[in-house]
Amino acid sequence: DTEVTQTPKHLVMGMTNKKSLKCEQHMGHRAMYWYKQKAKKPPELMFVYSYEKLSINESVPSRFSPECPNSSLLNLHLHALQPEDSALYLCASSQAGATTDTQYFGPGTRLTVL
Amino acid sequence: EDQVTQSPEALRLQEGESSSLNCSYTVSGLRGLFWYRQDPGKGPEFLFTLYSAGEEKEKERLKATLTKKESFLHITAPKPEDSATYLCAVSGSNYQLIWGAGTKLIIKP
Repeated sequence: DTEVTQTPKHLVMGMTNKKSLKCEQHMGHRAMYWYKQKAKKPPELMFVYSYEKLSINESVPSRFSPECPNSSLLNLHLHALQPEDSALYLCASSQAGATTDTQYFGPGTRLTVL
Repeated sequence: EDQVTQSPEALRLQEGESSSLNCSYTVSGLRGLFWYRQDPGKGPEFLFTLYSAGEEKEKERLKATLTKKESFLHITAPKPEDSATYLCAVSGSNYQLIWGAGTKLIIKP
């Protein structure tokens, strides 16, 4: 089974709201990723967790706050977002985070910031 | 500089008309080349991973091949449900995947 699940599918929030995106995988993978994807562009890496520790932060603004409660779960906490943050947010996982590992993506959360 | 270029940007085919998509890459120390299919508003769906020149992989109507400079995704007798954007990404010595811009494939019945 190569399934990564994400909730919610769609999210609309105002600029003063606080919300969270959730991601779960049961493949025993030890690396999990957050990506942001704008229309007609490839995914853009935001964060990488490896063995539940934040290993990469691609200079993402502090209004995005990741959290990895355990090896199967990944959250992205959102606060005071801007309209330009509207995008498809993708979660992915891979076996151990090595450069040879295949990343498996979830279906994404479509975020709209008003 | 590590770079991935996909061509063409868009490809329209009649159902049953075979063709190929190209992914050219420049990367120091290729660790893997990955093909994904993405439907509108959905996450990328993994298709193939290739690791070394000469390697080939097949799945249903799709076949991926790899040389030292490029990869091809061959699609044989495509059906309308094969319509999607096909993304290529490479992994080098850097931790991050380098993505191409994608090829939008439209198969007309």
